[in-house]
Amino acid sequence: GQSLEQPSEVTAVEGAIVQINCTYQTSGFYGLSWYQQHDGGAPTFLSYNALDGLEETGRFSSFLSRSDSYGYLLLQELQMKDSASYFCAVRDDKIIFGKGTRLHILP
Amino acid sequence: EPEVTQTPSHQVTQMGQEVILRCVPISNHLYFYWYRQILGQKVEFLVSFYNNEISEKSEIFDDQFSVERPDGSNFTLKIRSTKLEDSAMYFCASSDKAYSGNTIYFGEGSWLTVV
Repeated sequence: GQSLEQPSEVTAVEGAIVQINCTYQTSGFYGLSWYQQHDGGAPTFLSYNALDGLEETGRFSSFLSRSDSYGYLLLQELQMKDSASYFCAVRDDKIIFGKGTRLHILP
Repeated sequence: EPEVTQTPSHQVTQMGQEVILRCVPISNHLYFYWYRQILGQKVEFLVSFYNNEISEKSEIFDDQFSVERPDGSNFTLKIRSTKLEDSAMYFCASSDKAYSGNTIYFGEGSWLTVV
């Protein structure tokens, strides 16, 4: 079977840095993705790691360690608009999502 | 920028009624998906569709569900006899590649309320 574990909630302060961790267990693995979802909205793609290491896209970075079945999403210079749910997801011929981490940002 | 479009955005239906949710995937995409999200819960995979047939489906996708690509542009999800627990946001998604994590695009969703 497939399972992904991530914290249910994280709280951080505006302007700070926050890391959201994800561990996974899957039968097939073609990479770890991260999606952002605002309340009432669709999941939108943030980042994807197929290989070990760090991928940086602006204020967001994502890391993967395939040997540890572990990855994280790093959000820097947090803004209030970053308040959302963040899902890690693994891809074989479909995407399987984790349960999501609700990010609360305090002013 | 091309996008996946879904209709209706919101539908209220009585229990036992049939519902059809419609999606127009991105035009050059070949892989199509339906996901659902019950309020406050994670996004759950329902079904994937490629080359005019279902390639994979989850245990949620039972006999009351069906998908169809009736023409070259639409991709529909039919729920034959809705139940209260079918109330959820249903997302359509499409991709031009298999096995790639960064080329799947989601529509804005169809919110289904079963009463």
